[in-house]
Amino acid sequence: RKEVEQDPGPFNVPEGATVAFNCTYSNSASQSFFWYRQDCRKEPKLLMSVYSSGNEDGRFTAQLNRASQYISLLIRDSKLSDSATYLCVVMGDSWGKLQFGAGTQVVVTP
Amino acid sequence: SQTIHQWPATLVQPVGSPLSLECTVEGTSNPNLYWYRQAAGRGLQLLFYSVGIGQISSEVPQNLSASRPQDRQFILSSKKLLLSDSGFYLCAWGTGGNNEQFFGPGTRLTVL
Repeated sequence: RKEVEQDPGPFNVPEGATVAFNCTYSNSASQSFFWYRQDCRKEPKLLMSVYSSGNEDGRFTAQLNRASQYISLLIRDSKLSDSATYLCVVMGDSWGKLQFGAGTQVVVTP
Repeated sequence: SQTIHQWPATLVQPVGSPLSLECTVEGTSNPNLYWYRQAAGRGLQLLFYSVGIGQISSEVPQNLSASRPQDRQFILSSKKLLLSDSGFYLCAWGTGGNNEQFFGPGTRLTVL
């Protein structure tokens, strides 16, 4: 079983719509969680950290469910510029070693 | 502010040739440094990490090695490249603990 699993998509989303997707992680001792965004042939860029109480950053909302060991990302009012691959990332220990999901591709269409 | 540099941006090398990729970080001291590889259509795989000068931990057995000769310099090397070494190599820095990591622009390596 992979450490971090994501639906690869693609999620085809009309501009202005809402899209949500999850990732699951296997290590129940994981302490930190992040969503990164990766554009084609570019480096991953931090989108947001995910806090236990859930957090929102503009049109983006992240949730953490420790009991079921999944993280979610919701994008409201999708923009064409939101088209990217979203990487779910879990940090399991104090050395800062990140476990990456393979990514969920989102395609926002006009 | 912190910045991270990698070079070269792209590289095409024949099988059996050596490799040296360099990563430098500016604007921070004593960062944790990481080398990742991303194969086509796959997730990032941690190759090496370093918590200080001369301190290298390897995550995956392979024909690659890493060195940290200076606080903000991290080098990925190979004596003889394999076809399977092709991929997108990313250097990242972080402050350790449960904090985020930030990636350099990456080096796209093609081994022919």
